[in-house]
Amino acid sequence: DAGVIQSPRHEVTEMGQEVTLRCKPISGHNSLFWYRQTMMRGLELLIYFNNNVPIDDSGMPEDRFSAKMPNASFSTLKIQPSEPRDSAVYFCASSLLQFYGYTFGSGTRLTVV
Amino acid sequence: TQLLEQSPQFLSIQEGENLTVYCNSSSVFSSLQWYRQEPGEGPVLLVTVVTGGEVKKLKRLTFQFGDARKDSSLHITAAQPGDTGLYLCAGHAGNNRKLIWGLGTSLAVNP
Repeated sequence: DAGVIQSPRHEVTEMGQEVTLRCKPISGHNSLFWYRQTMMRGLELLIYFNNNVPIDDSGMPEDRFSAKMPNASFSTLKIQPSEPRDSAVYFCASSLLQFYGYTFGSGTRLTVV
Repeated sequence: TQLLEQSPQFLSIQEGENLTVYCNSSSVFSSLQWYRQEPGEGPVLLVTVVTGGEVKKLKRLTFQFGDARKDSSLHITAAQPGDTGLYLCAGHAGNNRKLIWGLGTSLAVNP
């Protein structure tokens, strides 16, 4: 298995632009999580899905953030419009069941200038 | 609110030394996980502990879950440069479906 695949690995964009991050979870995993990691706040859960259904999006910072999971093998996290304070590493993780250990992707390092 | 406190925050040691890092909380956790994260990569699961008092060994790494399931420790014997990384603990508190994360211990093992 190739693991959790995220793209792009790096993204540099100008303030105000739309950014789309992509994730392919491990086949057969039922739960998918989007995290943001910064030095100051560590790993923050943004949203998670069970069986492609969003369960809890209380960690999404504001309306500028949205996430979708149209099928079991693909999810996106969109930021529109992007702001410099959104600069961080964004991780996608998947899990067989919600209380099992997570498998993380390699992350997308987002820089908004 | 940071429910999982990890200590120390930073640790720099020489190859061959032993070390212990801690993960503490005032809350009871139904399970606790340890991850290691290397620069530029995502965290990688090392172990999950679920029973109070449980001890698990992974080569030179020994993980212990406190009897009251409020704390955990990770002991590394004869550290090697390959052990360098950020060690994160995470757990489910009670029936909370969300995983609670500590901020991590950044370990540097110098050759």
